[in-house]
Amino acid sequence: QITLKESGPTLVKPTQTLTLTCSFSGFSLSTRGVGVGWIRQPPGKALEWLALIYWDDDKRYSPSLKSRLTITKDTSKNQVVLTLTNLDPVDTATYFCAHITSQLGFGVDCWGQGTLVTVSS
Amino acid sequence: QSALTQPASVSESPGQSITISCTGTSSDVGGYKYVSWYQQHPGKAPKLIIYEVSNRPSGVSNRFSGSKSGNTASLTISGLQAEDEADYYCSSYTTPSTLFVFGTGTKVTVL
Repeated sequence: QITLKESGPTLVKPTQTLTLTCSFSGFSLSTRGVGVGWIRQPPGKALEWLALIYWDDDKRYSPSLKSRLTITKDTSKNQVVLTLTNLDPVDTATYFCAHITSQLGFGVDCWGQGTLVTVSS
Repeated sequence: QSALTQPASVSESPGQSITISCTGTSSDVGGYKYVSWYQQHPGKAPKLIIYEVSNRPSGVSNRFSGSKSGNTASLTISGLQAEDEADYYCSSYTTPSTLFVFGTGTKVTVL
C-alpha cells in the first residue's frame, strides 16, 4: 500500500522560503517509471502542477515558477523535498505530494492528504 | 503553459449522462496520450478516475469513460449518482516544459 505524507510549516512570511517534505512508503523512488511530484491548490481554485522528480533524478518544473522551485529526493530516506523561494500571499494553498507511475500513464494514482500553507505577515 | 479549458459547471438529474470537455492544444492534449481525469470531493485529495485518455484504474466504476478527439478530451459519466457530485479536473502531459498541466476544473451538480 502506497502512502505519502506532507510536512512543513503552516504559516510563512512573505519573501521567506518554504521547505516541504514528502515522506512516503510502499514504493521505491529508484524503481524505473516512478516519480514523485508536488501539486498545489489555492483555496477555492484549481490544481496546479509545480514540480516532478523521476526515479532517474530527472526533474521537471512549472515554467512560471521554475526560477523559485527546487525539488530533490533522498531515496534512502524515502523522501522528496520541495523548496519555494520568495513567497508571496498568492502562494497560499494546499500543497499535495503525488505518486505517479508509467504503469498508469503517469496519472497521479496516490496523493498525500495535503498541507495548507498560508503566506502572511 | 496555460491551463486546459473546462466548463465551469455541469448539472444533470440522477440517472442521466453528462460529458465534460477539456480543451488544449497540439502541445498537450492533442499531442500525447497522457491525458488523465480526477474527481475531487470537498476537502479531499483528488482521485484518479481515467488515465491515458480512456483507461480506468482498478476499482473505478465503469460509469466513467474517457475519449479524445484532436485537441479536446472528454469525460463521460453515465447513470449519474448523487455521489458523483464533485469537482473534476483533466490533466495532460505538455511540452515544452515536459511536465503536466491541469484543466480549470468543472463542478458537477446532481440535481
